[in-house]
Amino acid sequence: GENVEQHPSTLSVQEGDSAVIKCTYSDSASNYFPWYKQELGKRPQLIIDIRSNVGEKKDQRIAVTLNKTAKHFSLHITETQPEDSAVYFCAAKTIKAAGNKLTFGGGTRVLVKP
Amino acid sequence: DAMVIQNPRYQVTQFGKPVTLSCSQTLNHNVMYWYQQKSSQAPKLLFHYYDKDFNNEADTPDNFQSRRPNTSFCFLDIRSPGLGDAAMYLCATSREGSIGEQFFGPGTRLTVL
Repeated sequence: GENVEQHPSTLSVQEGDSAVIKCTYSDSASNYFPWYKQELGKRPQLIIDIRSNVGEKKDQRIAVTLNKTAKHFSLHITETQPEDSAVYFCAAKTIKAAGNKLTFGGGTRVLVKP
Repeated sequence: DAMVIQNPRYQVTQFGKPVTLSCSQTLNHNVMYWYQQKSSQAPKLLFHYYDKDFNNEADTPDNFQSRRPNTSFCFLDIRSPGLGDAAMYLCATSREGSIGEQFFGPGTRLTVL
């Protein structure tokens, strides 16, 4: 089955700096890659996603890049703010499975220091 | 407006005492999922329903069962909770035919005494 690895597991940045989280996946048939942000005690919230026919997508301070050949994708947060502190999960969708089954990475705990 | 609703938000049960968690949705999505999440680990898929078809993950313990009586509701039954089953349980939905976005409920935090 699909395997998604995420790095780093923790990331501490100074407010205003950029943060980058990287994920690799194993199944070349995966075609959808969402990123979720989860604040303490709350549900995972989709913040951005990218489909396999696109190499890059940006939404204000957040961007995601996808390299299908290398099977990796990354989340970029610019001008980080304290409210960006959370756990971030990448995921990949395995199109072969019944339903829209996602495989999650292990998560990155991001701390933005004021 | 609430889209994926989970009740209760907090559940305390005793070791070995059966417990049921519920999930409902107003999105009319045909796929519903149950995840277990511990201590900021990634959500772990337990099973999902594709319409009425039940899909169990290979490593989901037999202690966990699920029911989906209609499109809107889905239940997670834990027959004999152990201390290791204390976790956040997340329900999610998606619409087949879409690219795959999943909408999560707020979760039920289960404590086992």
